[in-house]
Amino acid sequence: AQRVTQPEKLLSVFKGAPVELKCNYSYSGSPELFWYVQYSRQRLQLLLRHISRESIKGFTADLNKGETSFHLKKPFAQEEDSAMYYCALSPNSGNTPLVFGKGTRLSVIA
Amino acid sequence: NAGVTQTPKFQVLKTGQSMTLQCAQDMNHNSMYWYRQDPGMGLRLIYYSASEGTTDKGEVPNGYNVSRLNKREFSLRLESAAPSQTSVYFCATPDTNTGELFFGEGSRLTVL
Repeated sequence: AQRVTQPEKLLSVFKGAPVELKCNYSYSGSPELFWYVQYSRQRLQLLLRHISRESIKGFTADLNKGETSFHLKKPFAQEEDSAMYYCALSPNSGNTPLVFGKGTRLSVIA
Repeated sequence: NAGVTQTPKFQVLKTGQSMTLQCAQDMNHNSMYWYRQDPGMGLRLIYYSASEGTTDKGEVPNGYNVSRLNKREFSLRLESAAPSQTSVYFCATPDTNTGELFFGEGSRLTVL
């Protein structure tokens, strides 16, 4: 069965410091991985997906199949990055509901 | 173009009462999902509908029923609410081409 693990419930960093939100997954095939973000009083929205290999709002995430990880990184945290972040896995694009991790709340301290 | 619309946004129930959460999407997607969000538990799938006329259980279906009324609408019903169902409920629908999931604003339910 597929599983997504986010080991940190809360991560606090100072403004300007690097950020790394950890995500590990368990799946025997080739999954698609996503990061979703929920800012205060806003709906959940897609931040980035591994297949697009893009950087959104300064965030990047690399899929490491050997370590089954998809960590989210940003070199310099901003206060507006404070939010709830969810890592999610899809066994096959769009046909099976996403499996989410438990989430990590990022707090960026000024 | 509202995307995914959920009603109500807030609801307080007493134990044993029933209620239905409504969800509608105007994205012409086939699939629709219901998740619940709880602190420390993340998002857990309650039920999903891969297409009009079909529904399937997710990870935490007990105490809930769903109806896929048509392609646009997918409702979630609590027949006899329990305090353990206090949660924030999200309806979502995926773009099957990209895998991106589009969410409603959420419905905060409190069961006393």
